[in-house]
Amino acid sequence: DAKTTQPTSMDCAEGRAANLPCNHSTISGNEYVYWYRQIHSQGPQYIIHGLKNNETNEMASLIITEDRKSSTLILPHATLRDTAVYYCIVRVLFSGGYNKLIFGAGTRLAVHP
Amino acid sequence: GAVVSQHPSRVICKSGTSVKIECRSLDFQATTMFWYRQFPKQSLMLMATSNEGSKATYEQGVEKDKFLINHASLTLSTLTVTSAHPEDSSFYICSASGPSGGMIQETQYFGPGTRLLVL
Repeated sequence: DAKTTQPTSMDCAEGRAANLPCNHSTISGNEYVYWYRQIHSQGPQYIIHGLKNNETNEMASLIITEDRKSSTLILPHATLRDTAVYYCIVRVLFSGGYNKLIFGAGTRLAVHP
Repeated sequence: GAVVSQHPSRVICKSGTSVKIECRSLDFQATTMFWYRQFPKQSLMLMATSNEGSKATYEQGVEKDKFLINHASLTLSTLTVTSAHPEDSSFYICSASGPSGGMIQETQYFGPGTRLLVL
């Protein structure tokens, strides 16, 4: 089962910041939080990931709470092309050193003019 | 960097035939590749994980004799759906991760997906 919970859907006006929340209260100390998005009928696109510290790249910012039980993905200036399903995923580690992503339902973000 | 391709992008086949889907990492060496399946209006479900040169590890409920996975090189993995039936119709997506190249270590990069329709 996915270790994260996200709102089913969100709306955002074009040009405004989109803040997508995610709860991961059972996250373990060495598990990363990953964000991907999926535009209709395409493969997921990597956005950003983090462990403890806040992260920023050319696509987005990731804010992780100090207790690591939740995080927020921020798209600073949403455009219509950002309309997609956004997945917050805890990368699960297994014995033997391998890991895998367990996808939940994600948040369907609609950016409108 | 970190580009993953899949071929074909879509395929239609008759029930009972086998279909092979290729997944390639174009600009990095993928030590691990993953295969997912996605039904309409649902999320991605991991089918199996494969390491180069090793047998794939299948998720619970995925038939290994029906979904044959080969990861013979660091840039190519194949998924063969054997004796396909209409219920196998789905969107199949691969991802790849590796320690080298211009991408983030151990991050999965996804292919564009292959839509399979079994008649």
